[in-house]
Amino acid sequence: SQTIHQWPATLVQPVGSPLSLECTVEGTSNPNLYWYRQAAGRGLQLLFYSVGIGQISSEVPQNLSASRPQDRQFILSSKKLLLSDSGFYLCAWTGGTHAGELFFGEGSRLTVL
Amino acid sequence: GQQVMQIPQYQHVQEGEDFTTYCNSSTTLSNIQWYKQRPGGHPVFLIQLVKSGEVKKQKRLTFQFGEAKKNSSLHITATQTTDVGTYFCAGPFSNTGKLIFGQGTTLQVKP
Repeated sequence: SQTIHQWPATLVQPVGSPLSLECTVEGTSNPNLYWYRQAAGRGLQLLFYSVGIGQISSEVPQNLSASRPQDRQFILSSKKLLLSDSGFYLCAWTGGTHAGELFFGEGSRLTVL
Repeated sequence: GQQVMQIPQYQHVQEGEDFTTYCNSSTTLSNIQWYKQRPGGHPVFLIQLVKSGEVKKQKRLTFQFGEAKKNSSLHITATQTTDVGTYFCAGPFSNTGKLIFGQGTTLQVKP
């Protein structure tokens, strides 16, 4: 069966520090991968998606970047965090088309101080 | 741009009361999905509706997809404390197919 792992689960970072969140999917090949952000008490905002290795699409201009170095690995990064980057970051995958069911990781809660 | 709107944003009910959340899209959708996020957790897929006017039931939950495929609703009969959480609708948009989520409706149930 397919599983998705996301880490770290929680982190507190100072403004201006770098960020790296990792996500890996097991049990499937060539998944579509997504990074969403959820601000406190808010909905899910799509940040990046990837349909294959090295293929990244950005949905909104921001302080973050994403990379997909391997088929089942998706990384969210920042060189210098801003206060507004605080939130709950969720990695997700779907097989086949974008329109299929999304499977979410457990999420990474980031607090920037 | 294309949007998915959900109302209400919050709903507090007494255990045993019914609950409904409504979802409206700015464009026609090929399908609509519903997710539930428990407090502190991640969204979990509940159901997908594809056909115009489709109605699906999962125990006390009833999901409807509008005739024009631009709106949807989730109705919970006789809420229980286990229903607490945020319910999201999401739809793929024709130009990209990516899922766009509504803002969610957070349900609180008083025992």
